[in-house]
Amino acid sequence: DAGVTQSPTHLIKTRGQQVTLRCSPKSGHDTVSWYQQALGQGPQFIFQYYEEEERQRGNFPDRFSGHQFPNYSSELNVNALLLGDSALYLCASSFGRSGNTEAFFGQGTRLTVV
Amino acid sequence: SQQGEEDPQALSIQEGENATMNCSYKTSINNLQWYRQNSGRGLVHLILIRSNEREKHSGRLRVTLDTSKKSSSLLITASRAADTASYFCATAPPGTYKYIFGTGTRLKVLA
Repeated sequence: DAGVTQSPTHLIKTRGQQVTLRCSPKSGHDTVSWYQQALGQGPQFIFQYYEEEERQRGNFPDRFSGHQFPNYSSELNVNALLLGDSALYLCASSFGRSGNTEAFFGQGTRLTVV
Repeated sequence: SQQGEEDPQALSIQEGENATMNCSYKTSINNLQWYRQNSGRGLVHLILIRSNEREKHSGRLRVTLDTSKKSSSLLITASRAADTASYFCATAPPGTYKYIFGTGTRLKVLA
């Protein structure tokens, strides 16, 4: 049973560029959430997708956008990259409408903006 | 802003000893989850405890929840060098779908 998979594992981008990160949820899960983790901090919620729609959004600018596909996989897009966007980006999957279930995380994508 | 705060921020123990870390949070919750993270990699799910539960066990892990004090504790018994990691609590306030994480406890188990 494959867990949550993310790609790529590492990425280096230049300021001003755009980046797309990908996530496949754990088998049987239909909900995908994205988190940003700066060095030495806990993960911060970016947004959650359920039934191909953004269900909730954290305190992140519109430069951060996402998408969920019919197979439940998801993408996180970040436009106009800033140095401060350098972080570990984590995808979490879970099941169900309530949100009151276990969330399983992938290994993350380490984004470095230079 | 951070909802949860883990305490202590860092903990160093000898192999075989027990490790206890605490989490405090600010609002009511649906559930609380504990995660482990090795060297900035992905989060490994350890245990979920719901707001109507007081204690849960999983192998060498014991989690307690006191909703009146808005706090939880994670006990790792008979620790091993492989338990060296950062441990985070994450809370899910009612009416939201997001998990709010604390800043974590860095545990070091010395062989």
